[in-house]
Amino acid sequence: EVQLVESGGGLVQPGRSLKLSCAASGFTYSNYVMAWVRQAPTKGLEWVASISTGGGNTYYRDSVKGRFTISRDNAKNTLYLQIDSLRSEDTATYYCAKDTGANYFDYWGQGVMVTVSS
Amino acid sequence: DIRMTQSPASLSASLGETVNIECLASEDIYSDLAWYQQKPGKSPQLLIYNANSLQNGVPSRFSGSGSGTQYSLKINSLQSEDVATYFCQQYNNYPWTFGGGTKLELK
Repeated sequence: EVQLVESGGGLVQPGRSLKLSCAASGFTYSNYVMAWVRQAPTKGLEWVASISTGGGNTYYRDSVKGRFTISRDNAKNTLYLQIDSLRSEDTATYYCAKDTGANYFDYWGQGVMVTVSS
Repeated sequence: DIRMTQSPASLSASLGETVNIECLASEDIYSDLAWYQQKPGKSPQLLIYNANSLQNGVPSRFSGSGSGTQYSLKINSLQSEDVATYFCQQYNNYPWTFGGGTKLELK
């Protein structure tokens, strides 16, 4: 059974940093592109970043470029999202998602909440 | 960025009814479209990919259609467990973008 379990969220002050983790199991993690998708409270879904199977290629939406860093450790079956210079508009539930290989997502984690507030 | 416009934003329907949700892309996305279902308090689940292919395990009352810029999700014989918010997603061009969602409730 595929499982994606996020952790690392919480209440953070504007300008601070946070690192989210996603532990994957139930599939050959190193064979799949992985992504982060976020959802602001009562809002829609927003793709944030994706990373290639080996980690050598990363892709970001423009609004997070330079502040967010996606990475992966294939030995630990874990995906990460480093978020720097947090802003109020980053407040959202962050989902880890498994890419099918065709750029849509067949498995999602339960999500982790990030709240940016002073 | 490709803009995805969903309609309606909310919908109320009766059990057993047929429901249609539309998704309009701002440019041709060549059927690179997925539909997701998100139940309250849960994470999204993939229903349809490539505009009309049913994901394994999804009930056959769900179907997708469309091409070019216009796509739709159809739910036949609405069940109580279908109460959810539905999102479309294009994956033809970065950044991948989602529609604003359609909230489906029971009448």
